[in-house]
Amino acid sequence: TQLLEQSPQFLSIQEGENLTVYCNSSSVFSSLQWYRQEPGEGPVLLVTVVTGGEVKKLKRLTFQFGDARKDSSLHITAAQPGDTGLYLCAGSSGAGSYQLTFGKGTKLSVIP
Amino acid sequence: NAGVTQTPKFQVLKTGQSMTLQCAQDMNHNSMYWYRQDPGMGLRLIYYSASEGTTDKGEVPNGYNVSRLNKREFSLRLESAAPSQTSVYFCASRGAWGNSPLHFGNGTRLTVT
Repeated sequence: TQLLEQSPQFLSIQEGENLTVYCNSSSVFSSLQWYRQEPGEGPVLLVTVVTGGEVKKLKRLTFQFGDARKDSSLHITAAQPGDTGLYLCAGSSGAGSYQLTFGKGTKLSVIP
Repeated sequence: NAGVTQTPKFQVLKTGQSMTLQCAQDMNHNSMYWYRQDPGMGLRLIYYSASEGTTDKGEVPNGYNVSRLNKREFSLRLESAAPSQTSVYFCASRGAWGNSPLHFGNGTRLTVT
């Protein structure tokens, strides 16, 4: 069974601070996705990373896929209250796989 | 642009009662999924359907049954609800491409007393 460990589990920061969320595994994934979930809603895709070492930027969010495709990180620069939510990473074991393995999530609160 | 629609949004059941959670998607996706989300446990896969006419067990299938009614609809049934099934249930669908994202509904919050 593939596992994804996310850290930290909870994060409370002031507006304007930077933060990094980690997603680690001992298994290799063919791709990794990051989702954000707001209260009362389903998760929504932020990004998919596919290539080892890949870096993708989405405004103030920077996503990195580890060289060995076993880990990923999400860095937020100058966090804003609108970034508040649950961040989930999810890994796919292959193009033919129908299942995604989810981490348990990082709950982020950005205080104005 | 509805995406994935789940009904009901909230439900309270007594132990032993049965109910069916409905899910429909309008994106012509082949794969559909049912997850449950519990505090500290993340999203856990209950059942999935890779295509119309097929269903497979996920990580936590006990106490649940599913039906892939057609390409659009995938229902989840609790035959005899238990307090351990108190959770938020999410339906999702996914396109054919291997790295395509999951599209989630807004969930059903179920309480079993």
